[in-house]
Amino acid sequence: DQQVKQNSPSLSVQEGRISILNCDYTNSMFDYFLWYKKYPAEGPTFLISISSIKDKNEDGRFTVFLNKSAKHLSLHIVPSQPGDSAVYFCAASFNNNDMRFGAGTRLTVKP
Amino acid sequence: DGGITQSPKYLFRKEGQNVTLSCEQNLNHDAMYWYRQDPGQGLRLIYYSQIVNDFQKGDIAEGYSVSREKKESFPLTVTSAQKNPTAFYLCASIPRGTGWAGELFFGEGSRLTVL
Repeated sequence: DQQVKQNSPSLSVQEGRISILNCDYTNSMFDYFLWYKKYPAEGPTFLISISSIKDKNEDGRFTVFLNKSAKHLSLHIVPSQPGDSAVYFCAASFNNNDMRFGAGTRLTVKP
Repeated sequence: DGGITQSPKYLFRKEGQNVTLSCEQNLNHDAMYWYRQDPGQGLRLIYYSQIVNDFQKGDIAEGYSVSREKKESFPLTVTSAQKNPTAFYLCASIPRGTGWAGELFFGEGSRLTVL
């Protein structure tokens, strides 16, 4: 039962352009959403989060958008840099009891 | 530096053998978690512990066992009952009070291969 879905396994963009990573969820009870970044052979590191009471959160080049009616969130990276190349995981939690992860999207930023 | 240390980084096991993966943290975090990552799938929760001497099963606990005798340590044993143990295992922790509404701190992972 995959409650958090990342339907694009990979994404390739040119350096300097925008990267948009998407995530859909099925459980309307989720109240907190997070993005993690993972390099090969390393553990994921926290990138940015958003509470369900907001629809946007920005941190430097990274912005997360939440559309609750569509049960959809997205991560925008502007401008994209080669160092952003990694696997990005979307995660969602509810009621401080659980956290569910998507399958990840591999982002490649070409110089 | 504070962090989470997982060992070994790579481990090979013959079928039928138990193996224990170590996870140690010096972040003074109360809660610790074990996840499994397989290609094309998200991180799936195996076990978690909110406090010393207490732990709960996650979504895929069958074939695994854990202990939490010390706050700093949360070892995971992959038993011979686990039918498909080849995977990348991640340990994570979080401070008390944050619950799930906060970022998890992850170790670097252990890759287990069953020969």
